[in-house]
Amino acid sequence: AQKVTQAQTEISVVEKEDVTLDCVYETRDTTYYLFWYKQPPSGELVFLIRRNSFDEQNEISGRYSWNFQKSTSSFNFTITASQVVDSAVYFCALSLGPAGQGGSEKLVFGKGTKLTVNP
Amino acid sequence: NAGVTQTPKFQVLKTGQSMTLQCAQDMNHEYMSWYRQDPGMGLRLIHYSVGAGITDQGEVPNGYNVSRSTTEDFPLRLLSAAPSQTSVYFCASSLGRGFAYEQYFGPGTRLTVT
Repeated sequence: AQKVTQAQTEISVVEKEDVTLDCVYETRDTTYYLFWYKQPPSGELVFLIRRNSFDEQNEISGRYSWNFQKSTSSFNFTITASQVVDSAVYFCALSLGPAGQGGSEKLVFGKGTKLTVNP
Repeated sequence: NAGVTQTPKFQVLKTGQSMTLQCAQDMNHEYMSWYRQDPGMGLRLIHYSVGAGITDQGEVPNGYNVSRSTTEDFPLRLLSAAPSQTSVYFCASSLGRGFAYEQYFGPGTRLTVT
């Protein structure tokens, strides 16, 4: 079965601290995609990153970085020098390859981690 | 481009009533989907569509119907509302086939069933 676990329900940090949000996934498929989405207090869902199962390169975008490790089935998200505007719920999600490539259509979200950055 | 739009933003229903949540996108995306978000549960897929005339069930389809007569619109129907359907509903669209692509989400509809 496909599953995404975000074990940290809530995290609270002080501004300028670094924080890592954990994401562990389960799938038997060899082709899959991993995502992170941000949901600020205003409620909209904002795409942050997409990574396919064949690309284990870590990615950095400004203060955000992502560490993908197939060996531990993890796709962790780090915010460096956190800011109050980073306060949000962050979701990790797993998608399997399209049906035409032998996978099934499915998109599974983790339950989210609520990050609060205090001034 | 307006992106993905949803109406209404808020709705209160009584148990047993029916209603349709509207969703439209102007990006010519093939894939469209509906999710519900409940506290502590993340987002769960209700139904999705891979193109006009084609729909399929997601993880929690019971109590909901969908149809896709055009590329742009993907309405979600609640046939007989129940308190368990109190939730925030998000519609999303994505470019290309499969869920392998970034989802573009609408602003959500907050539904309360009393």
